Amino acid sequence: GNSVTQMEGPVTLSEEAFLTINCTYTATGYPSLFWYVQYPGEGLQLLLKATKADDKGSNKGFEATYRKETTSFHLEKGSVQVSDSAVYFCALRGTNDYKLSFGAGTTVTVRA
Amino acid sequence: EAGVTQFPSHSVIEKGQTVTLRCDPISGHDNLYWYRRVMGKEIKFLLHFVKESKQDESGMPNNRFLAERTGGTYSTLKVQPAELEDSGVYFCASSTTGGSTYNEQFFGPGTRLTVL
Repeated sequence: GNSVTQMEGPVTLSEEAFLTINCTYTATGYPSLFWYVQYPGEGLQLLLKATKADDKGSNKGFEATYRKETTSFHLEKGSVQVSDSAVYFCALRGTNDYKLSFGAGTTVTVRA
Repeated sequence: EAGVTQFPSHSVIEKGQTVTLRCDPISGHDNLYWYRRVMGKEIKFLLHFVKESKQDESGMPNNRFLAERTGGTYSTLKVQPAELEDSGVYFCASSTTGGSTYNEQFFGPGTRLTVL
């Protein structure tokens, strides 16, 4: 079956630091890959996505590249802000599927 | 446009009691999904409605869980009787269906269920 493994947290950073959250997946075929973010007190929001190999998703300064050869979709941001403090979830959706498979989530805290 | 809403935001009950969670999807979204995150682990799929029909309930943990979506609008998820391991955050999501693909799922804020 499909599965997602992401870097365990929690991660604590200072403002303007570089953030990387590793995510690898197991799936058959050509899944779509996603990063969701949950800010305190809010629901999950789609942060970015990529639907085919070598696609780069980007939003709000975050980027992730779909690497089929390494089955990875690592999330990066060059300079984090306090407002980036949240829980980040890597997810995939299989080909012609509707179910999302999520990783365990990584809690990120950015300190001023 | 209102987003997906869930009620209550937090519920604390004792083992053996019954709890009903409610989800109101975005208006016009035929697809409604329930997911659950237990003890800080991964978020897992529970079931999927298309309008009022259960399309897939393969993720439902056992027969203590009952989901309904009468009239194809809001949905309820009842846990009866609740057990300690049912504690977690229950998320609801909704989406449209476009062509041959399923579109972006919009999530609610979740209901945090604590079973004592």
